Amino acid sequence: DGGITQSPKYLFRKEGQNVTLSCEQNLNHDAMYWYRQDPGQGLRLIYYSQIVNDFQKGDIAEGYSVSREKKESFPLTVTSAQKNPTAFYLCASSIGTAGYEQYFGPGTRLTVT
Amino acid sequence: EDQVTQSPEALRLQEGESSSLNCSYTVSGLRGLFWYRQDPGKGPEFLFTLYSAGEEKEKERLKATLTKKESFLHITAPKPEDSATYLCAVRVTGGGNKLTFGTGTQLKVEL
Repeated sequence: DGGITQSPKYLFRKEGQNVTLSCEQNLNHDAMYWYRQDPGQGLRLIYYSQIVNDFQKGDIAEGYSVSREKKESFPLTVTSAQKNPTAFYLCASSIGTAGYEQYFGPGTRLTVT
Repeated sequence: EDQVTQSPEALRLQEGESSSLNCSYTVSGLRGLFWYRQDPGKGPEFLFTLYSAGEEKEKERLKATLTKKESFLHITAPKPEDSATYLCAVRVTGGGNKLTFGTGTQLKVEL
């Protein structure tokens, strides 16, 4: 079965700790994305990557970092610099970046206390 | 600034009661409008892409239409399993493949 996996489903951290969210896809998609979803707000783009070893900031990149060492993987690190890290994080991928629809993973709910 | 507004915020229907959800947009140049369905605690599921005014797409009880200012998601004879949040997103000229999302319409279909 082709798809996008995110792990873990729920994640709890103490304030001041960095945490890394996993995203893996076996769809052979070139582009991958990270979004954040908060109640009452639309999904907001954090980072995206069009090819391996290349990525760009989205609208809300401050306090986050990413890497793209393999086509299949696009992990997101939420650093202690992110002021409001508690949110639902969604990873997505698309065949390319020329207008193709994005397919989403199941999400990771991060709670920082 | 590109904007996407969805209405209503919430909608409650009886089973079989058809209705429409609205997605209005103000963008510099539309390169695609996307509809997704999202169940609680899950990732959005892709439904449709529309590219030009007048275009329509259908899937089971859902039909999406597009004009120059807005898109409608028509739900015909809905069932309880259609209950979900429906998200609209746009891709704009010069925006690469970045999507700008609306805040969604939460639909509940009751027996």
